[in-house]
Amino acid sequence: KQEVTQIPAALSVPEGENLVLNCSFTDSAIYNLQWFRQDPGKGLTSLLLIQSSQREQTSGRLNASLDKSSGRSTLYIAASQPGDSATYLCAVRDAQGGKLIFGQGTELSVKP
Amino acid sequence: DVKVTQSSRYLVKRTGEKVFLECVQDMDHENMFWYRQDPGLGLRLIYFSYDVKMKEKGDIPEGYSVSREKKERFSLILESASTNQTSMYLCASSFRRGGLDQPQHFGDGTRLSIL
Repeated sequence: KQEVTQIPAALSVPEGENLVLNCSFTDSAIYNLQWFRQDPGKGLTSLLLIQSSQREQTSGRLNASLDKSSGRSTLYIAASQPGDSATYLCAVRDAQGGKLIFGQGTELSVKP
Repeated sequence: DVKVTQSSRYLVKRTGEKVFLECVQDMDHENMFWYRQDPGLGLRLIYFSYDVKMKEKGDIPEGYSVSREKKERFSLILESASTNQTSMYLCASSFRRGGLDQPQHFGDGTRLSIL
């Protein structure tokens, strides 16, 4: 059964730092991996989707990488800003059942 | 921009009531999903649909049913609401292009309280 883990559960950094959020999954047979952002009391906003054949995706200050063989993905945020404060979730689309399986998220706080 | 609209942001109902949560998307997406999100448990898939009148059970379908009569609308039904169904409910939609999944887009959620 696919399991997705995100470490750390919470992270606090000063403004301007570059940071990395981690996501690991137990079964490498995935279709894709998606990173989301969730603000308190709101729905999820899709940030990046990496297909299983890709190694990374970039959007602005965000870069996501995927290493299927080791079951890992990272989300790199450059020059963090207070507006980046949110919970970040990763999810894998499982090749077995075809469903999105979510991690528990990393709550990020960027201090001015 | 993709718009996924959930009919209510907050809803309070009583145990035993039949509850309808509505979700509408405006981008002609084939796929639609219902999740619930609870502290410590994360997001869990309740039901999903790949086409009109099609439905598939997710991980926690018990106590729920769904309806997809039109492509743009996916309804979640709590047949007889219970207090353990108090939660944040999130609807999402997506499409496939060239055989590949595209990102799921989420609504703002409905916070449902069952008293």
